[in-house]
Amino acid sequence: AQSVAQPEDQVNVAEGNPLTVKCTYSVSGNPYLFWYVQYPNRGLQFLLKYITGDNLVKGSYGFEAEFNKSQTSFHLKKPSALVSDSALYFCAVRDGEGGGATNKLIFGTGTLLAVQP
Amino acid sequence: GAVVSQHPSRVICKSGTSVKIECRSLDFQATTMFWYRQFPKQSLMLMATSNEGSKATYEQGVEKDKFLINHASLTLSTLTVTSAHPEDSSFYICSAQSPGTRIDTQYFGPGTRLTVL
Repeated sequence: AQSVAQPEDQVNVAEGNPLTVKCTYSVSGNPYLFWYVQYPNRGLQFLLKYITGDNLVKGSYGFEAEFNKSQTSFHLKKPSALVSDSALYFCAVRDGEGGGATNKLIFGTGTLLAVQP
Repeated sequence: GAVVSQHPSRVICKSGTSVKIECRSLDFQATTMFWYRQFPKQSLMLMATSNEGSKATYEQGVEKDKFLINHASLTLSTLTVTSAHPEDSSFYICSAQSPGTRIDTQYFGPGTRLTVL
């Protein structure tokens, strides 16, 4: 079964510093990986995805993620954090593979990013 | 960009009553919609997949008679929580997917906060 793990419940970073939110995955077949952000009492906003191609994926709001097949990781990064980046971040993987694949998303447990001014 | 709305955004009801939550795709047609449930400080758990014109597919452990899903048109899916109880209190989020598009085009609604007294 497909799964993703977010090992950190919370990440604290000072404004202006680089940030990393970690995600590792376990899939059979090719991974389809996503990052979403959730602000308080709001739905999810799509940040970026990896389907195929370049391992470094650039997304919304200056975020990027690096797909690392050998380490089965898909960490979210940003060179310079903003206070407004403070939110809950979810890594997700598409469920299933090949002909049995569905478009269901399996979410990680989420990481709360707190950016201090 | 594609917009998904949910109504109501917040609802408080008495135990034993039924509550209907609407999910609408505002500027695109969605043959498939997904309903998620999110507990405080936890990840999203997929409840069911709703396909226009057919019965919803429920995830294991989700009571289909309690959580009624109707997807009568390409722009509207409804989730009815029947005979609600306090343990049904949660944040319910829907997502919608355009037909014939790639797996990354799931657009999320802003969520509905249900509180059952």
